[in-house]
Amino acid sequence: DIQMTQSPSSLSASVGDRVTITCRASQSISSYLNWYHQKPGKAPKLLIYAASSLQSGVPSRFSGSGSGTDFTLIISSLQAEDFATYYCQQSYVTPRTFGQGTTVEVK
Amino acid sequence: EVQLVESGGGLVQPGGSLRLSCAASGFTFGSYWMSWVRQAPGKGLEWVANIKHDGSDNYYLDSVKGRFTISRDNTKNSLYLQMNSLRAGDTAVYYCARGGGNFEYWGQGTLVTVSS
Repeated sequence: DIQMTQSPSSLSASVGDRVTITCRASQSISSYLNWYHQKPGKAPKLLIYAASSLQSGVPSRFSGSGSGTDFTLIISSLQAEDFATYYCQQSYVTPRTFGQGTTVEVK
Repeated sequence: EVQLVESGGGLVQPGGSLRLSCAASGFTFGSYWMSWVRQAPGKGLEWVANIKHDGSDNYYLDSVKGRFTISRDNTKNSLYLQMNSLRAGDTAVYYCARGGGNFEYWGQGTLVTVSS
């Protein structure tokens, strides 16, 4: 199975900050990398698919980059509604696997 | 508007069975792969199984192979997960999601608790 490792596991930030979350795959997954965020008690929401494509309706402050084994999610200017847990997920092979999550908390 | 509504969760004893259902609306159900993803209390996301749009192919997480069966009824716009021989480690919120690779839409989830 492909292991997905996110860093950091948590971070503290303020509204307006630029936030960067990284995700590393245990083997190359080309650009088959997706990003989600999840708020407590709610279902996850797809933000980015295919490493860098913005899902319809997702604000442009979210962006993704990378290919192969190393990927990055950037929130250019953190908003109040962005405090959540972020997950990366590979869709290169089955089983689909997720990173362990990165919690973005209020500083 | 795309809607996915799960049902069928509950408390079950170890070794027991449950059948989860997911009612889909707002899109052409029979044109999409569908998946089940679970989340144990306080833990991360774990993909469980997916099924091709016409039901002709499916895949499972190793730990549920032989115990869980994913199926669908495109005439009823419904997805199912039959769970047998349940274990404490299967305790989780189970989400139905549209897609087989990335998961574009999710239901609200249904809680399955395996405990004596």
